[in-house]
Amino acid sequence: GAVVSQHPSRVICKSGTSVKIECRSLDFQATTMFWYRQFPKQSLMLMATSNEGSKATYEQGVEKDKFLINHASLTLSTLTVTSAHPEDSSFYICSAREQASGANVLTFGAGSRLTVL
Amino acid sequence: DAKTTQPNSMESNEEEPVHLPCNHSTISGTDYIHWYRQLPSQGPEYVIHGLTSNVNNRMASLAIAEDRKSSTLILHRATLRDAAVYYCILRDVTGGGSNYKLTFGKGTLLTVNP
Repeated sequence: GAVVSQHPSRVICKSGTSVKIECRSLDFQATTMFWYRQFPKQSLMLMATSNEGSKATYEQGVEKDKFLINHASLTLSTLTVTSAHPEDSSFYICSAREQASGANVLTFGAGSRLTVL
Repeated sequence: DAKTTQPNSMESNEEEPVHLPCNHSTISGTDYIHWYRQLPSQGPEYVIHGLTSNVNNRMASLAIAEDRKSSTLILHRATLRDAAVYYCILRDVTGGGSNYKLTFGKGTLLTVNP
């Protein structure tokens, strides 16, 4: 079945630094990927829709200059948290749909846990 | 997006069936009913989805009410590995690729007792 890989699975950084999280569709192509954020004991919140070859679409309240999304190929989307602060500490999860098969479901990555000191 | 209502938590015993309810009284004709689950510290995992008819797969069964205003996810024999948060989500099939985004509610935390 479709597999989505995220890297790194865990990252700890100092306040003020930038962190890049990769999301790869391993065995399928995805023109659209989705980035979610999940705080402890809360549900997933959609941050943005990543579109291959074009700009990402951000949900209301999500700062596009802080959360940079690049979807340069059909198998890779990256999320960069710029100038990270402790309040950005969260579980970041990406997802993608295997379009070629016509599947109407999303495959999620295992998530990347960011801790900002 | 049409909303869903689920109990905050449910408890089950191992090897017994589990029925997880979901109410979606404002569902539209183009909304599919999707179920995902999230194990601790992992990304969500697809479970099952349907439109009008009941659906079965290797993981679970989905029973959809005739008026489609509610549905029930059925785990036929719960195992300890089924302990997770289960999300019932409506997805509109109209529109382009961006409409495959899913809006997660709080879900139901299923506890399975040995």
